[in-house]
Amino acid sequence: EAGVTQSPTHLIKTRGQQATLRCSPISGHTSVYWYQQALGLGLQFLLWYDEGEERNRGNFPPRFSGRQFPNYSSELNVNALELEDSALYLCATQQGFLAKNIQYFGAGTRLSVL
Amino acid sequence: GESVGLHLPTLSVQEGDNSIINCAYSNSASDYFIWYKQESGKGPQFIIDIRSNMDKRQGQRVTVLLNKTVKHLSLQIAATQPGDSAVYFCAENSLTGGGNKLTFGTGTQLKVEL
Repeated sequence: EAGVTQSPTHLIKTRGQQATLRCSPISGHTSVYWYQQALGLGLQFLLWYDEGEERNRGNFPPRFSGRQFPNYSSELNVNALELEDSALYLCATQQGFLAKNIQYFGAGTRLSVL
Repeated sequence: GESVGLHLPTLSVQEGDNSIINCAYSNSASDYFIWYKQESGKGPQFIIDIRSNMDKRQGQRVTVLLNKTVKHLSLQIAATQPGDSAVYFCAENSLTGGGNKLTFGTGTQLKVEL
């Protein structure tokens, strides 16, 4: 069974540009979570999508947005990139959204803002 | 507010010894806790979880202990191997605040010395 896949693996942008990151869930998983992992720091919750709807978001500005498609894959968009947006962006998917269900992570997209 | 923290940023152990990684949390209403392992260049990998109504849970070479009285969580790895070298995160799963998200600690780097 294929795991969570994220693309691209690496992304280099300049300040002010927009970045689009993609995530494909494990088959049967309907919930998608996005996390930001800055260098040397823990994971910070960004967004949660379930059944195509945004269910919750973390303490990030509105220029971080996303969507979930009918096939449950998801995109994370970051507008007006800033240097401090450089980080590893991780997607996790879950079968439903009950607390007992485990979130499985992809390998992440390394975003570098120059 | 909610927080999940780790006592030690780096833990060095000899191969074959047991490792103990500690974690403190502050949200007494958490539903359950998860330990993840993150190797360099990879996304976090699920190790083991424990529900808030349990004190102990065992897996293959790993044991998680939960002390709700002092809000403390630990991960014990038996007979530590070089392949155990990674960053270990504890995470709290909370359904409060209208969402289902993981709150991560900053991580503990486990180094296994030969």
